[in-house]
Amino acid sequence: DAEITQSPRHKITETGRQVTLACHQTWNHNNMFWYRQDLGHGLRLIHYSYGVHDTNKGEVSDGYSVSRSNTEDLPLTLESAASSQTSVYFCASSESASGSQYFGPGTRLTVT
Amino acid sequence: RKEVEQDPGPFNVPEGATVAFNCTYSNSASQSFFWYRQDCRKEPKLLMSVYSSGNEDGRFTAQLNRASQYISLLIRDSKLSDSATYLCVVMDSSYKLIFGSGTRLLVRP
Repeated sequence: DAEITQSPRHKITETGRQVTLACHQTWNHNNMFWYRQDLGHGLRLIHYSYGVHDTNKGEVSDGYSVSRSNTEDLPLTLESAASSQTSVYFCASSESASGSQYFGPGTRLTVT
Repeated sequence: RKEVEQDPGPFNVPEGATVAFNCTYSNSASQSFFWYRQDCRKEPKLLMSVYSSGNEDGRFTAQLNRASQYISLLIRDSKLSDSATYLCVVMDSSYKLIFGSGTRLLVRP
């Protein structure tokens, strides 16, 4: 079955380290998204991509970067992890830009 | 003001009850609307899209009022398994999803 996966599922890192979270989908969706979810906030968009080599900033993009070298993967990189980036990160994909999005299981990141 | 606002709850109801959630959105140019369900520490899952004419999926009914900019979700005959957080989601004119903070539902035996 087609699916969307994220790895690692849990990560603890230190302030200042570079961290990369992986997202992989097998639906062949062009559109992929990264969100973070914190208590008291809805999911907030970090970066998104509408196709290979396309990347766009979302609402909370500072300190994060993405690259899209193929259809299946959109890795999220924290250049220099900060404690404020402790959060749960969800990746999502959709078949069309206006269509509903399907989410991966999430990565729980703790920055100490 | 948040772009999408929901009552955080929790709504605590007995099995078999009918419960309704409302959500308001601020951007009148919003074009698509959804309800997602999120179980504790899990990913959001699409429950249903919301159409202007209203739509029903089994025990779930969604309504959209564009003039008043609110969306509702009605759950009939609540089950224990309906306990979750319900996220109101609005798609803006550039196809980005804006999420409400969610309404928590607890269904008790």
